[in-house]
Amino acid sequence: EAGVTQFPSHSVIEKGQTVTLRCDPISGHDNLYWYRRVMGKEIKFLLHFVKESKQDESGMPNNRFLAERTGGTYSTLKVQPAELEDSGVYFCASSQAGPSYDEQFFGPGTRLTVL
Amino acid sequence: AQKVTQAQTEISVVEKEDVTLDCVYETRDTTYYLFWYKQPPSGELVFLIRRNSFDEQNEISGRYSWNFQKSTSSFNFTITASQVVDSAVYFCALSETNTGGFKTIFGAGTRLFVKA
Repeated sequence: EAGVTQFPSHSVIEKGQTVTLRCDPISGHDNLYWYRRVMGKEIKFLLHFVKESKQDESGMPNNRFLAERTGGTYSTLKVQPAELEDSGVYFCASSQAGPSYDEQFFGPGTRLTVL
Repeated sequence: AQKVTQAQTEISVVEKEDVTLDCVYETRDTTYYLFWYKQPPSGELVFLIRRNSFDEQNEISGRYSWNFQKSTSSFNFTITASQVVDSAVYFCALSETNTGGFKTIFGAGTRLFVKA
């Protein structure tokens, strides 16, 4: 079974440009999460989708970040316009649905560098 | 407030030494899950262990061992006979309920350098 995949693995852009990160969760996983690690700091929660609905977006830093999950399958995270402080590694994770805990499987991450 | 604290920012050891990475957590949930992840230089997150709040048994897996103590809200990780390949950033994490599911709260990470 394929794991969580993320594309691209690495993106280098200039300040002011737009970048879109993609995450493909494990097939059948209703829960999809985005996290990011800014250089040298902790990994922070950004938001949580249940299918196509945003369940919790309390971690989104500002309105330059837009996450979507049309159709409840893959998700995109767009940063527009990118700023220097957005550099870091963006992780996606997915888990199955249900009221009880189910393990979150993390993708390999997308390393974003804003110059 | 829910929080994970890894007080050690960086640790440097010589190969074959034992090293313990500390983790202290705070949560109001009675049911929660604790994790350790490894992030090697390549950047991906490698899952090491998960523990639920009802299972305080310590665990050993090869050179790795974990000590979970609810009384002190700690979940420490020990590497025995460290190797250069153990050099990485190690994250302790706590999963707790949020609306409709769970979210993971990570500590700041401990960077481990193992010198040959």
